[in-house]
Amino acid sequence: NAGVTQTPKFRVLKTGQSMTLLCAQDMNHEYMYWYRQDPGMGLRLIHYSVGEGTTAKGEVPDGYNVSRLKKQNFLLGLESAAPSQTSVYFCASSRGLGTGELFFGEGSRLTVL
Amino acid sequence: GENVEQHPSTLSVQEGDSAVIKCTYSDSASNYFPWYKQELGKRPQLIIDIRSNVGEKKDQRIAVTLNKTAKHFSLHITETQPEDSAVYFCAASRGGSYIPTFGRGTSLIVHP
Repeated sequence: NAGVTQTPKFRVLKTGQSMTLLCAQDMNHEYMYWYRQDPGMGLRLIHYSVGEGTTAKGEVPDGYNVSRLKKQNFLLGLESAAPSQTSVYFCASSRGLGTGELFFGEGSRLTVL
Repeated sequence: GENVEQHPSTLSVQEGDSAVIKCTYSDSASNYFPWYKQELGKRPQLIIDIRSNVGEKKDQRIAVTLNKTAKHFSLHITETQPEDSAVYFCAASRGGSYIPTFGRGTSLIVHP
């Protein structure tokens, strides 16, 4: 039982490049989330999904797109990376929405030069 | 939407002392308040949570208290140990279609 796994763990991009972060969970959770963590800013929600085929915007969605084609996977895409997107990205999943534990992945450190 | 304020941003204590981290929330309908611990370079993990129908919950050396009237809740760690050093995040949410909102985190440093 791996829980929540993210790939890649580290990535360096140049401004304007694109990339996709993959999150996979094996707990059959309905709800999945993408957060970014920056020093002193806590965990800020980028996008989330309440089920296969659905996505919704969070607090800081600009510059990101997501897709949830399969229940176990939640993809975060950067179409044209900017230095302001340098951050640590965490995926999470939960069985319930709003009142339940979030299970986080190990994080993906992205640097945009 | 919900707004969660967390204080202090940094807390330094001696081993064996107690540590208290406080959070306030804005949405009176919030009814679930988890605390997450994030060790350096690791993922956040839930350490304790409380729901609005109780005022206090304990788990060994950690406890959380909730004051619904004042809309604040606190994490208490007694007999701190070096392995308690981490960043602690509080959050608030309510059931249904609402997403947990996190505080900005408190960096706890326990000196041996």
